Parts: sequence; C-alpha cells; structure tokens
Amino acid sequence: EPEVTQTPSHQVTQMGQEVILRCVPISNHLYFYWYRQILGQKVEFLVSFYNNEISEKSEIFDDQFSVERPDGSNFTLKIRSTKLEDSAMYFCASTRTGAARGYTFGSGTRLTVV
Amino acid sequence: QQPVQSPQAVILREGEDAVINCSSSKALYSVHWYRQKHGEAPVFLMILLKGGEQKGHDKISASFNEKKQQSSLYLTASQLSYSGTYFCGTQTNFGNEKLTFGTGTRLTIIP
Repeated sequence: EPEVTQTPSHQVTQMGQEVILRCVPISNHLYFYWYRQILGQKVEFLVSFYNNEISEKSEIFDDQFSVERPDGSNFTLKIRSTKLEDSAMYFCASTRTGAARGYTFGSGTRLTVV
Repeated sequence: QQPVQSPQAVILREGEDAVINCSSSKALYSVHWYRQKHGEAPVFLMILLKGGEQKGHDKISASFNEKKQQSSLYLTASQLSYSGTYFCGTQTNFGNEKLTFGTGTRLTIIP
C-alpha cells in the first residue's frame, strides 16, 4: 500500500536554529498538508498546499514557517528560527483530488527544541 | 472551532461495545474518523458525507446526523487491536479543505 514518507523521524535542535522537515507524498496525490501534535494533545492544522501554492494556512503558520515543493516528489516544511513551543510531532498528509477521500498521514517527525 | 468528542477516555474489556461521539458547532459537509496508536500517525478509518449516511466495515461503523452536526463511531465486540486514540476530523465544504480534528477519545481495551 502506498505510503507517505517523512524524514527525519526525530530531530533535536537548539532554539533559534532553522529546521527543515521533509515529506514524500503519495505519487498520485495532489493535495498536501502539514499538521502538528503537541505531545498527547490535539492534531492542529498548519498549512495546505495545492498546485504549487499554499491554499490555506492557520494562525500558527506565521512568518517563521514556510513550505516548498522543490521538485516533483518532496514537500518540505521549514521553521526559520525555532522556539521551545515548536516542540511537537509534525505530520505530513496527502490526499487525492475530489471529495470523500481520506488523508494518508506520514509517520511523523518528532521535533525537540532545546 | 474544534469539534468536541465524548467521552474523553474509555476502558473496555475485550468483546464489549463502545460509542464515540463527535459534535460540531458548524454546519458540516463531511466527517472523517481516524485511529492513532501511541507514537504513530493517524490512520484513516472512514468518511461520512452530508446526507446522514451510515457506513461501516468489519465491526466498526459510523453515522452522521446532519441536523445535529454530530457523528458517532460504533465499535462492536472490541478487540485488543482497537486500542488507541480516536479522532474525528470535520470539513465544512466540498473539496479538499483542511480537516479540523476533534479533541480525541482514548480507548483502552483490556483482556
């Protein structure tokens, strides 16, 4: 069964450093999303991406965040200057076009900011 | 605004049944259900669309009451593998807009 792949699985970074989280969505999916989950808490929407541009973003997704699809397969989330409160599990998800489609989530990147 | 799920947590013995509810204050187009095991990604279970349909596979089914903007997930004859946190995710429009996830329900099945 096709998978969404995320790397790295765990990243530890110092406060103020830049991090790039990587995702390879399922090849025939056209809609991509980033969500985050602070330990044991709710799953929060960050940003959605379609046709090489952001289609929606949440208030969490401020100027410190950016997304890119640098080639035909990768989808990245960059945090320019990490804060302690950015520590969370970050999930990438993708779905095919049209309604009535479930999301396929990647296995996540655990980001720890120290 | 985040959908509210109830109960927050439930403990069952193997073979017992459970119902998990998801309520939204907004008019919904669709409700998704996902299960997340500890340390893993959410896994899609099913989707229900506006129209009040009921869906199911195996011993897990769900309903969507459009008038009340509520969905319920039914787990019958629970198995150990059903343990995890269940999230509903809602959409207010047709298409591929973001999912807004509910508060989550932790389900523990004991032998």
